[in-house]
Amino acid sequence: GIQVEQSPPDLILQEGANSTLRCNFSDSVNNLQWFHQNPWGQLINLFYIPSGTKQNGRLSATTVATERYSLLYISSSQTTDSGVYFCAVVETGGFKTIFGAGTRLFVKA
Amino acid sequence: SAVISQKPSRDICQRGTSLTIQCQVDSQVTMMFWYRQQPGQSLTLIATANQGSEATYESGFVIDKFPISRPNLTFSTLTVSNMSPEDSSIYLCSVEGQTSYEQYFGPGTRLTVT
Repeated sequence: GIQVEQSPPDLILQEGANSTLRCNFSDSVNNLQWFHQNPWGQLINLFYIPSGTKQNGRLSATTVATERYSLLYISSSQTTDSGVYFCAVVETGGFKTIFGAGTRLFVKA
Repeated sequence: SAVISQKPSRDICQRGTSLTIQCQVDSQVTMMFWYRQQPGQSLTLIATANQGSEATYESGFVIDKFPISRPNLTFSTLTVSNMSPEDSSIYLCSVEGQTSYEQYFGPGTRLTVT
């Protein structure tokens, strides 16, 4: 099955700093999503982005499907950005969503 | 998008007992998914539940341990049977959007088994 790798596994930022999270996947995908899991366990949809670039406030994402990777950019980080960021994909021809291991982000005040 | 609710939000159970988790969606959906997230880990798909048919389980998960019901297009239950401390996890249900593969998740049920 498809493999999803996220990097870095852990990230500590000073408030106000920028960061880039990466997601590599091993096969073509129908769907790619970025989620933020807050400290209470709630999964929040950030982007549905099987290809192209999207922006939402301080967050943006780019997926280059032909090269099998996606990037999540966080600018001017805030303490409320802390949590775990997951990349999840649906393999072409499939319907199951496969999650990466996540990037654990801590933003210091 | 879809609005999903789960009950209970959390529970503490004794080993050997069973817990049934409910998932309610605000719109009709074909497929519902159940995931497990063990402490500090990523999400793992347990099973896919279609209305009117038996759930399809992923490798490592069996119906006797995790029976699932799907009585209609807006509701599903997952039972965690004969629990052990290793079952302590967050259990989440999810659905696909109406017009895309985008997935939406419920708030999760945080289960602790003592």
